[in-house]
Amino acid sequence: AQSVAQPEDQVNVAEGNPLTVKCTYSVSGNPYLFWYVQYPNRGLQFLLKYITGDNLVKGSYGFEAEFNKSQTSFHLKKPSALVSDSALYFCAVSLSGGYQKVTFGTGTKLQVIP
Amino acid sequence: GAVVSQHPSWVICKSGTSVKIECRSLDFQATTMFWYRQFPKQSLMLMATSNEGSKATYEQGVEKDKFLINHASLTLSTLTVTSAHPEDSSFYICSARDGIGGTQYFGPGTRLTVL
Repeated sequence: AQSVAQPEDQVNVAEGNPLTVKCTYSVSGNPYLFWYVQYPNRGLQFLLKYITGDNLVKGSYGFEAEFNKSQTSFHLKKPSALVSDSALYFCAVSLSGGYQKVTFGTGTKLQVIP
Repeated sequence: GAVVSQHPSWVICKSGTSVKIECRSLDFQATTMFWYRQFPKQSLMLMATSNEGSKATYEQGVEKDKFLINHASLTLSTLTVTSAHPEDSSFYICSARDGIGGTQYFGPGTRLTVL
């Protein structure tokens, strides 16, 4: 069975500082990895995904994530946090291929402090 | 990016009534759509996978007779909560998957409150 772990329920970071939201995964094969963001009372917005190729993936709003196969991690990063980045972030994994079941993590609340 | 709409965005109904929620993929065709339920401060719980032209596949513990799903076209799936009760109050989110890379695009969600 595949799984995703987001070890931190909440991450606090000062505005302007770099941020990292952690994600590790477990899957029996090559993974597809995703990050989504959810603002209050809204659906999830797609940020970025890793399918194959370059381990560093760049996405929307200045976010990026690095696929690390040996550590089975896909941490989300941003060089300089904005207050408007405060939201709930979900990591997700599926087996490679376009039609596999996607498993979501439990979410990490990011709080950017002015 | 791909856009998925959901209607209504919120609904309040009396106990015992049925509520229909629509999910539409606006700029792409989605052979597969998903319905999730999200409780406050919790992750998404997959309720069912909806495939165009066939019966939905429900996750364990989800009552298929209570949560009716219809995927009549490549751009529309509907979820009907039948005989709603207060415990059905929740945030319901749909998503549509594109066939390339398997990315799911989510609707804005529907807040259901059953009195």
